[in-house]
Amino acid sequence: SQKIEQNSEALNIQEGKTATLTCNYTNYSPAYLQWYRQDPGRGPVFLLLIRENEKEKRKERLKVTFDTTLKQSLFHITASQPADSATYLCALEPSGTYKYIFGTGTRLKVLA
Amino acid sequence: DAGITQSPRHKVTETGTPVTLRCHQTENHRYMYWYRQDPGHGLRLIHYSYGVKDTDKGEVSDGYSVSRSKTEDFLLTLESATSSQTSVYFCAISGTDGTGRLGNEQFFGPGTRLTVL
Repeated sequence: SQKIEQNSEALNIQEGKTATLTCNYTNYSPAYLQWYRQDPGRGPVFLLLIRENEKEKRKERLKVTFDTTLKQSLFHITASQPADSATYLCALEPSGTYKYIFGTGTRLKVLA
Repeated sequence: DAGITQSPRHKVTETGTPVTLRCHQTENHRYMYWYRQDPGHGLRLIHYSYGVKDTDKGEVSDGYSVSRSKTEDFLLTLESATSSQTSVYFCAISGTDGTGRLGNEQFFGPGTRLTVL
């Protein structure tokens, strides 16, 4: 069966450390993968997209990697801040469709 | 912020009553989506539209219908609401890339919190 999985347990880290979140998928061959941030009571907000031919993508303190062999994407937040506390979702578009499939999200809490 | 609104923002209704949620966009985007979000399940796709009058089912479409008679509006209808449809509903839109295919990101509305008693 097709699945996209994220660690459902909350991740607590100390301010200033690097947070690393994982997204694994099975039985998909996506051309790209996306990461979103969601704050309580609000809709998700797009952060980054990485394509299958890209190993790494950066945006300010955010870094995403994409390993199509392992079928895994890692999302890193460096020098984390309490304001980074949120739920982070990964998503992909199954090839040939007009839709996105989302993971269940990982809740990150950055402790001051 | 992308111009996308949802109405109503909150609704309480009784089992068996029909409910219609509205999504309105001002971005002229081609693709529109309805998701529901429940604890432990994340975002699940209900229905989506890839053009006016062009719609298709998502993974949790039973008990829901949609209509898109113009680019800017996408309606989600619960014909006879059940308690299992209590959820937060998000509408999303996406544009196209240079070739007309699905664009690279989705923009989400603020959500509708629906409670079915």
